[in-house]
Amino acid sequence: KAGVTQTPRYLIKTRGQQVTLSCSPISGHRSVSWYQQTPGQGLQFLFEYFSETQRNKGNFPGRFSGRQFSNSRSEMNVSTLELGDSALYLCASSPRAGSTNEKLFFGSGTQLSVL
Amino acid sequence: QQQVKQSPQSLIVQKGGISIINCAYENTAFDYFPWYQQFPGKGPALLIAIRPDVSEKKEGRFTISFNKSAKQFSLHIMDSQPGDSATYFCAASMNTGFQKLVFGTGTRLLVSP
Repeated sequence: KAGVTQTPRYLIKTRGQQVTLSCSPISGHRSVSWYQQTPGQGLQFLFEYFSETQRNKGNFPGRFSGRQFSNSRSEMNVSTLELGDSALYLCASSPRAGSTNEKLFFGSGTQLSVL
Repeated sequence: QQQVKQSPQSLIVQKGGISIINCAYENTAFDYFPWYQQFPGKGPALLIAIRPDVSEKKEGRFTISFNKSAKQFSLHIMDSQPGDSATYFCAASMNTGFQKLVFGTGTRLLVSP
């Protein structure tokens, strides 16, 4: 079974631009979560999607948004990029939502650099 | 209240030694405590997890010790190997019906040969 696939692997953008990151969960997994990882803040929860609905959102500005498609694939978008948005963005999938005891399977992430 | 504090930030252990990483939390609503292992260039992978109704859980060389009254939990890696060199994150979550892990800041472990 293929793991969680995130594309692109690396991305370089300039301030003010917007970016879209993609995540394909493990086949059969319907819940997708996104996390931001930085050296200073560690891993921080962005949002969770299940059945195309955002179920939970972390403490990030509205510039960060996401969506989930009917095939469970997910995208996240960051508009008006700031230098501080430089981070590794991780996507995680699990078979179902509704239980925080579910094992999360992480992808390798998209490394975003904002210049 | 949502924080999970992790220490040490980095750790060097000789091969065959015991690696110990500690975490503390404030929110007593947390009811699931996983540990994740992350290698460079990879995403975190679940290593072992515990719920507060048990004080210890062991899987191979990895053991979680949990102290509910002190609101602390720790990861012990017995007979540490160079292949264990990675960054380890503790985390916690609440049974709110939503998937949301609160992570510690991570411990970079180096096991010297």
